[in-house]
Amino acid sequence: DQQVKQNSPSLSVQEGRISILNCDYTNSMFDYFLWYKKYPAEGPTFLISISSIKDKNEDGRFTVFLNKSAKHLSLHIVPSQPGDSAVYFCAASGGSGNTGKLIFGQGTTLQVKP
Amino acid sequence: GAGVSQSPSNKVTEKGKDVELRCDPISGHTALYWYRQSLGQGLEFLIYFQGNSAPDKSGLPSDRFSAERTGGSVSTLTIQRTQQEDSAVYLCASSTYQNTEAFFGQGTRLTVV
Repeated sequence: DQQVKQNSPSLSVQEGRISILNCDYTNSMFDYFLWYKKYPAEGPTFLISISSIKDKNEDGRFTVFLNKSAKHLSLHIVPSQPGDSAVYFCAASGGSGNTGKLIFGQGTTLQVKP
Repeated sequence: GAGVSQSPSNKVTEKGKDVELRCDPISGHTALYWYRQSLGQGLEFLIYFQGNSAPDKSGLPSDRFSAERTGGSVSTLTIQRTQQEDSAVYLCASSTYQNTEAFFGQGTRLTVV
């Protein structure tokens, strides 16, 4: 049972435009969400997070939006740069019985074209 | 060191042999996680430590897999009688506590031939 889903395996955008990466979850008890970025042969790197008490968190070019009623979050990158090309994972934690582990989606490969 | 360190970075082993993978978390981080990423797949949770205890081992695929953590620091993931389907990148992460961002190591690429 996939509790965190990233339905788009890949996304291609032009440099300077907006990249929007989407993530859906099924467990309404999740209360903390994170985005990670992964380059080949490296471990994932933390990007940005959001608590369920908020609906938006911004950090420079990166903004995460949370829609609890829809159980949906998205990562916006504006403007997109070629160096943003990587695999992006969303993750969730929290809820009854949760031990603190992060549950990850399958990842979306972003390609930013110069 | 400043980050999460994993060793070895690469391991090739023969089917049926045992392997040990090591993780040195960030100093002071009480939470430690093991994940694995098989080719073309997402990050699969294996086990979570809080201090030296493992409140969640639900992701370990079989009884061939075990992990321990000593002194609230270093953790070892052991795979006995390795199989080809065990081939993956094994990632370790640590965090200060649950519901905070976890920092990952570079991973150990395990290849079972």
